[in-house]
Order: sequence, then C-alpha cells, then structure tokens
Amino acid sequence: ETVLTQSPTTTAASPGEKVTITCRASSSVSYMHWYQQKSGASPKLWIYDTSKLASGVPNRFSGSGSGTSYSLIISSIESEDAATYYCQQKSSDPPTFGAGTKLELK
Amino acid sequence: QVQLQQSGAELAKPGSSVKISCKASGYTFTSYYISWIKQTTGQGLEYIGYINTGSGGTNYNEKFKGKATLTVDKSSSTAFMQLSSLTPDDSAVYYCARDRMYTPFAYWGQGTLVTVSS
Repeated sequence: ETVLTQSPTTTAASPGEKVTITCRASSSVSYMHWYQQKSGASPKLWIYDTSKLASGVPNRFSGSGSGTSYSLIISSIESEDAATYYCQQKSSDPPTFGAGTKLELK
Repeated sequence: QVQLQQSGAELAKPGSSVKISCKASGYTFTSYYISWIKQTTGQGLEYIGYINTGSGGTNYNEKFKGKATLTVDKSSSTAFMQLSSLTPDDSAVYYCARDRMYTPFAYWGQGTLVTVSS
C-alpha cells in the first residue's frame, strides 16, 4: 500500500504566520486530498484533487504538489485554523491517510 | 442536504460482534458507494473497505478481511458494518463516508464509538 508521511507531526504558529504541511507518498500518486478534523468531530474534506478548495474553505488555504510530494499551505493563519490536517490518496488501493499534522495557535 | 446518520456507541465484550449502521439521506443512495474508516489515537485513519450500494458488491482492505463485513439495505438507504471476533484493538471510532471511484470522501457520518472491554 502507499504510505503517506506527513510533516511536521505538530506545529504551532502565531496568527498571521504562514504554515506549510507536507505529505510525502511512498510511491507516486496522481493527486492528494486533505481533510481538517477538530476535536470530537468528523473529518471534513478541505482540499481535493491536490489544489481545489472544498466548499466554504477560506482562500488563505492552498494545495500543491505532484508525484510523491504534496503540500497544504495556509498563507496567514487564523485562530479557527487550529485543527489536525490529514492527507489522503485514492490513486492506489487501498486508499491511505497520513498520520496527521496537529496545528496549534500560539 | 446530504446526511449520513450513524448508530450509537457500542460497548462489547471480547470475542463478540457488533453491527453498526449508516443511514443516508439527501441524495440517490445507489448512486454512490459507502466506505468505512476506522480511527484510533494510535493508528490514525485506516480504510476498511467499501460497498457498492447498488449491487451489494464489496471491496475490503486486506487488513480488515475477516474482521469487517459490509452489507446494505437499499429499501432503507442504510449501510451496515459488522465487526466480528472483537478484541481491544478494535476499540475505535468508525466512520461511514459517501464514496465514488477516484473522488474524495466529501461526506462523513458523525462516527460510532466502539469500545471492546470485558
């Protein structure tokens, strides 16, 4: 199966700072999806097909990448962005998720 | 609006089975698969498998073959997952999600907590 390795595992940023979360795949994938999960809630689709924002996602979020390296970028972090973010691939079976990046606000 | 409503929390004994449900509404049920995902603190999110809600055909992650059995009741737009021979390692939150080939999981149920304890 395709293993997805996210970095960092946790990160803390001050409001207004730029944050980059990376997801590396053990083999090439065609695209990456990203989910946001807050404590006690279900994951929410956040970015799909590498760079498309899901409905309602602020445009301070963006996604990029190809092959084995993908990123989720927040240009100017806000307090509501504190959450855990997971990458996911469905290019190969079984679909797999990264272990998550916990984003905290300073 | 699309909704996936899962059944409530389960407390089960080791060696027993549980069957959790996922009732869909707000869309044509048989136009999408239902996938199931396990979440634990230690292992994160793990894909269990999917059921083709139209044909009843299934596809399982190798890791969950023999552990999970997916079924569907089209008349009630409900998907089910039975977990058998439960061990403490099966304690987790289980989610259903609406699925279609090559698309992300855009809609998720609220999750069902399964606790396996004697």
